[in-house]
Amino acid sequence: EIVLTQSPGTLSLSPGERATLSCRASQSLSSSSVAWYQQKPGQAPRLIIYATSSRATGIPDRFSGSGSGADFTLTISRLEPEDFAVYFCHQYGMSPQTFGQGTKLEIK
Amino acid sequence: EVQLVESGGGLVQPGGSLRLSCTASGFTFSTYWMTWFRQAPGKGLEWVANINQNGNKKDYVDSVKGRFTISRDNAKNSLFLQMNSLRAEDTALYYCARDIDFWGRGTLVTVSS
Repeated sequence: EIVLTQSPGTLSLSPGERATLSCRASQSLSSSSVAWYQQKPGQAPRLIIYATSSRATGIPDRFSGSGSGADFTLTISRLEPEDFAVYFCHQYGMSPQTFGQGTKLEIK
Repeated sequence: EVQLVESGGGLVQPGGSLRLSCTASGFTFSTYWMTWFRQAPGKGLEWVANINQNGNKKDYVDSVKGRFTISRDNAKNSLFLQMNSLRAEDTALYYCARDIDFWGRGTLVTVSS
């Protein structure tokens, strides 16, 4: 099973700042099979990025994904108030699919 | 508009069974892989099972193999998860998803005596 480790666990930033979230895998991943989700309290996860760097439908371009091998990153260029949430990375290329434990992005 | 609506959750005793359903609309159901994910209260996300377009390929996380069965009815735009021999650790909000990209709001399964 591929273990995904996200860092930091909590990220405290202000609106307008840049957020960088990391996801490290226990082995090299296919870059076509890494996704990021945003989850707000009481809501289902929302797909933000798939295939490492492709934005999902309706996702603003302040969100970007990058990475290769075992290291992947979600960047939010300028934080908006609605961006504060928990973010999960997900690998869906190998069974079992697995998720990181999440990064909570909170308002500083 | 894509919609996925889960149902069938509830309180069940350990060792009991439940059948979850997911009704899809707003897209061509028969052309997509479908997935069940779950999230224990206050915890992270876990992939449970998925099924291909015609239902002849299915995969499960090890912890549910032999106990859970995923199936689909393309004529009714519906996805199912038959859960048997339920355990306390199966307690979670169960989400139906269109492959990985669109998730329903979930149905809560609580396994407790």
